[in-house]
Amino acid sequence: AQSVTQLGSHVSVSEGALVLLRCNYSSSVPPYLFWYVQYPNQGLQLLLKYTSAATLVKGINGFEAEFKKSETSFHLTKPSAHMSDAAEYFCAVSEAGGGNKLTFGTGTQLKVEL
Amino acid sequence: EPEVTQTPSHQVTQMGQEVILRCVPISNHLYFYWYRQILGQKVEFLVSFYNNEISEKSEIFDDQFSVERPDGSNFTLKIRSTKLEDSAMYFCASSQGNNQPQHFGDGTRLSIL
Repeated sequence: AQSVTQLGSHVSVSEGALVLLRCNYSSSVPPYLFWYVQYPNQGLQLLLKYTSAATLVKGINGFEAEFKKSETSFHLTKPSAHMSDAAEYFCAVSEAGGGNKLTFGTGTQLKVEL
Repeated sequence: EPEVTQTPSHQVTQMGQEVILRCVPISNHLYFYWYRQILGQKVEFLVSFYNNEISEKSEIFDDQFSVERPDGSNFTLKIRSTKLEDSAMYFCASSQGNNQPQHFGDGTRLSIL
């Protein structure tokens, strides 16, 4: 069975500072990994995906994530936070050959302060 | 950019009543999904649908729930007899292929009174 753990339900950074949102997964087979962002009163928007090609994945809005098999991690980073990055971020996993069901983490609310 | 659309954005229903949530997936997508998010909790998978049949469902998706693709464009979720605990945000999603990124609608907020 697959699962996702997001450490830190709330993260606060200053504008211009590094953003680091943590995600660890467990999966019995090679996983597909995704990061989604949710702005208030909106749906989930795909930021980036890992599908067993390059381990460093670049997404939209300057975000990237690195797949580390040895650490079972897929942390999301952005070098310099912007006020518009304030939102809730969800890490999700689906299993190769296991259907398309996404299993989500509990989410991390990112706050960006001046 | 094509998007998934959901209607209504907010649905208020009396407990015990039937409710139908509607979704129009992206037109060239073949896989369709419903998820729900109870306030303050994580997004949970309900059901996936491919080739006019359910391909996978969670234990949440019991006999009170059903899905249908009545025509070439709509994808619906029906809850036969709503309960208070069905109150949640329901998200529809679609994807082009197996393990391809899923694109989500803005959700329907379902409030059961």
